[in-house]
Order: sequence, then structure tokens, then C-alpha cells
Amino acid sequence: EAQVTQNPRYLITVTGKKLTVTCSQNMNHEYMSWYRQDPGLGLRQIYYSMNVEVTDKGDVPEGYKVSRKEKRNFPLILESPSPNQTSLYFCASSLSGSGIYEQYFGPGTRLTVT
Amino acid sequence: AQKITQTQPGMFVQEKEAVTLDCTYDTSDQSYGLFWYKQPSSGEMIFLIYQGSYDEQNATEGRYSLNFQKARKSANLVISASQLGDSAMYFCAMREGMDSSYKLIFGSGTRLLVRP
Repeated sequence: EAQVTQNPRYLITVTGKKLTVTCSQNMNHEYMSWYRQDPGLGLRQIYYSMNVEVTDKGDVPEGYKVSRKEKRNFPLILESPSPNQTSLYFCASSLSGSGIYEQYFGPGTRLTVT
Repeated sequence: AQKITQTQPGMFVQEKEAVTLDCTYDTSDQSYGLFWYKQPSSGEMIFLIYQGSYDEQNATEGRYSLNFQKARKSANLVISASQLGDSAMYFCAMREGMDSSYKLIFGSGTRLLVRP
């Protein structure tokens, strides 16, 4: 089944404890992206990757890191999480970064930082 | 200024009736794309429909259609024959500049509740 998977789905952590949210897609998509969703704000892009080893900042990159060493994986790293990073996180992928293709979303990761 | 505006935080519709969810956008690009996504209570984001700025006809996908009025910069989603399963959050999104990075800009969403 073609899909985007994220792990973990739920995470409660404490301020300053490094964490990684994994994202993997099995559709051979070139483009991958991370979003966060907060009430009343819709989804905002954190980072995106046009292809392997090519990443760039989105609208709200502060406090996050990403890497794209393999085409299928795009982990989101929070080096020192803070309570304002409590949010619902979505990973998404698309066939290509150019042209018009819909983005396929993962199931989401609900993160709480205390 | 907001790029994507959804002015209806919440809406009700009677089952089997049609409903229109509003979306206006702001861009100076000539080439752009507009998307609608559905987010049910389970949380996943489901792609519904797409409209390109150069498409002359309104997009349709089953019971979903997009009322695209370019001069007014609006891209309203029309759901015909509403079903109880249509109760969800609906997000309008835009991609600007087809040759640049593929960034989707989302509106704040409209929560739709279908009444039996």
C-alpha cells in the first residue's frame, strides 16, 4: 500500500530532551516536507526537501533540523524541544517538487513538550 | 496580508443538501495551484481536489467541485449531496510559483458539521 508513515504517533517529552520523529514514504517520491498544525493557524511548513541531500527552510524552521540521506526517509529532529513546539506534526510527500502534484500526508504525530 | 483566507470557522449543513466552503487567496504570481484537503476527526489529511490557475474549467471530483473565480481570487469548495461522513475540517491551500519550491500555504480551515 502506498503510504507515508510517521513514528511515533504520540509523544510526551520534557523540555530540552532531544527527540526525532521519523517519516518514511514508499512511493519513490522526490519531494518531502514537514508541517506543524496549531489551532486557528492551519498548517505551516517547517522544512522541505526537493530530493536527496537537498533541504531548505519553510516558514517556521526555528528549533528544528532535518536530513535527507535516503529518498524514502525524512526525519524531523528537535535538538532541544520547548513547550511552544507542542503541536501536531505532519510529514508529506509528492512525486516531484516541480509541476503540479498533490501532497500525500502521513497520519500525524502529536507532540507534547512539558 | 494572509495568503489564504477562510472566513467561515464553522458551518452546518443538512444531510443531502449542498454546501459551499469559501476560500480567497492573495498572490501576484500568474501561475499557481489551489488545493482542498479534508481532515476528519481521526486527524489525517485527505486530498480532495485541485485547480490550476490556467485551467479554464472548474475542477470536479465526484461530489466535490471547485468554484474558481480568478478575477475575484476565490476558490470555493462545493460539496453536493452532503453525507454524515463529510463532517470534518476542510483546508484550502495554495502553491505559488510553479518553478520554485513546492510549498503549500494553508488557510486556517472551516469545520463542517453535517446534520442528519
